[in-house]
Amino acid sequence: QQQVKQSPQSLIVQKGGISIINCAYENTAFDYFPWYQQFPGKGPALLIAIRPDVSEKKEGRFTISFNKSAKQFSLHIMDSQPGDSATYFCAANPPPRNTGKLIFGQGTTLQVKP
Amino acid sequence: DVKVTQSSRYLVKRTGEKVFLECVQDMDHENMFWYRQDPGLGLRLIYFSYDVKMKEKGDIPEGYSVSREKKERFSLILESASTNQTSMYLCASTPLVQGLRETQYFGPGTRLLVL
Repeated sequence: QQQVKQSPQSLIVQKGGISIINCAYENTAFDYFPWYQQFPGKGPALLIAIRPDVSEKKEGRFTISFNKSAKQFSLHIMDSQPGDSATYFCAANPPPRNTGKLIFGQGTTLQVKP
Repeated sequence: DVKVTQSSRYLVKRTGEKVFLECVQDMDHENMFWYRQDPGLGLRLIYFSYDVKMKEKGDIPEGYSVSREKKERFSLILESASTNQTSMYLCASTPLVQGLRETQYFGPGTRLLVL
C-alpha cells in the first residue's frame, strides 16, 4: 500500500501546550519519514526527519516518535507557540530510492491560540 | 541559497483554456516534481522528471502533461482546463539521490482558479 494516513485534519492548541500529529503507513519498504511545515502563502519546507533504526529524534521543541512494529510515527511540538501555526505534512519515501519521490499524508492544520 | 520559483502566484482561467505553469530552480537539481494541494487530500504527485526530457506519471496525471527541455525548468500543462483542476499547484526539486534521503525544496505555489 503506497499510502500514508495522517490525523487529525485540524488541531487547536493553547500556547504552551503540546501538539501531537499522527501518521500511519502500510508499506514496510519505506525507510525515511520526514515532516514538512507549510506557512500560509508559502511552499512546504522540511522540518525534521527520522529513519526507522531509531525510535525518537528531537530537534528543539520538535520530536518525532517512531513505532516500527505498529507502523506509526508522530510529531510532537512541545511548548507550542502561535508562530507554530501552520499546516504539517508527514511523508515517506516509496521505492525506488533514486527518484527522491515522497508520499505525503493528508495534512494537519495547527492553530496555536495565544 | 536554495530557490524554486513559480511563474505566477495566482491565475484565473476559463474552462477549456490551455494553461501553462512554469517552475524554475537554481540549484542544478536533477529531480523535479509537480504536486497539487487540496484540503483534506494533502499533496498529490502529478508528474515528476529525473532528467531533461524525461518524465514519469505520478498518482494523478490525468488531464495534465509536462515538459522539461532544460534542467532548471519544469512546466506543467493543462491541455483543456476544467473546474475540477481548480487547486494549489506546487513545484519541488531535489538533487539526484545516491543512497541518501534528500530534501525536497518547494516553490511558493500557484493558486489556479478555473471558471
